[in-house]
Amino acid sequence: SAVISQKPSRDICQRGTSLTIQCQVDSQVTMMFWYRQQPGQSLTLIATANQGSEATYESGFVIDKFPISRPNLTFSTLTVSNMSPEDSSIYLCSVAGTGDTYEQYFGPGTRLTVT
Amino acid sequence: AQKITQTQPGMFVQEKEAVTLDCTYDTSDPSYGLFWYKQPSSGEMIFLIYQGSYDQQNATEGRYSLNFQKARKSANLVISASQLGDSAMYFCAMRDWTGGGNKLTFGTGTQLKVEL
Repeated sequence: SAVISQKPSRDICQRGTSLTIQCQVDSQVTMMFWYRQQPGQSLTLIATANQGSEATYESGFVIDKFPISRPNLTFSTLTVSNMSPEDSSIYLCSVAGTGDTYEQYFGPGTRLTVT
Repeated sequence: AQKITQTQPGMFVQEKEAVTLDCTYDTSDPSYGLFWYKQPSSGEMIFLIYQGSYDQQNATEGRYSLNFQKARKSANLVISASQLGDSAMYFCAMRDWTGGGNKLTFGTGTQLKVEL
């Protein structure tokens, strides 16, 4: 299984500002995913990030609000732009395993609170 | 569109007892995968067990087993010999083959509390 780290682990931000979350994997992976988990809710996929191409966003998420970078096969960033209190969530990155099950391994998450 | 339903928002179980967490799913795709994840209060998502739609036997991983009933479209998680450390949120998820088969759709989760 992949070992995934995220920075920061948590942050408190003021509305109107932006925060960039980093995700680092200990091995090269083709696909990385960014999820959002709002308080008391389930996980929702924001976008899929492939190295060397534009990220693919899910319905309800746009690049201007959640720009993503994927400069190489072990690293990705998600920026939460022009934040509002509704953006307070846990943001998790994940990678797909290479076995037959294609299970996804998740990073420890970034707890974001917007005041 | 795929859908995962978890109808138990909260469950209690006594230590050392077994507990079943329900999950039903809906998909028109004949090939799919079902996952269970554990999320402690720390927030990390821990992969527990996987069941493929073509697997003939129910998946097992230590104290975790998956009761897969394909005709009923259910994939219930059974935790045997519950421990206090099993207290967490549990999510059922399905793999979506759209875009290469790596998108996961999650249920709403079940909060499990293990009591002495």
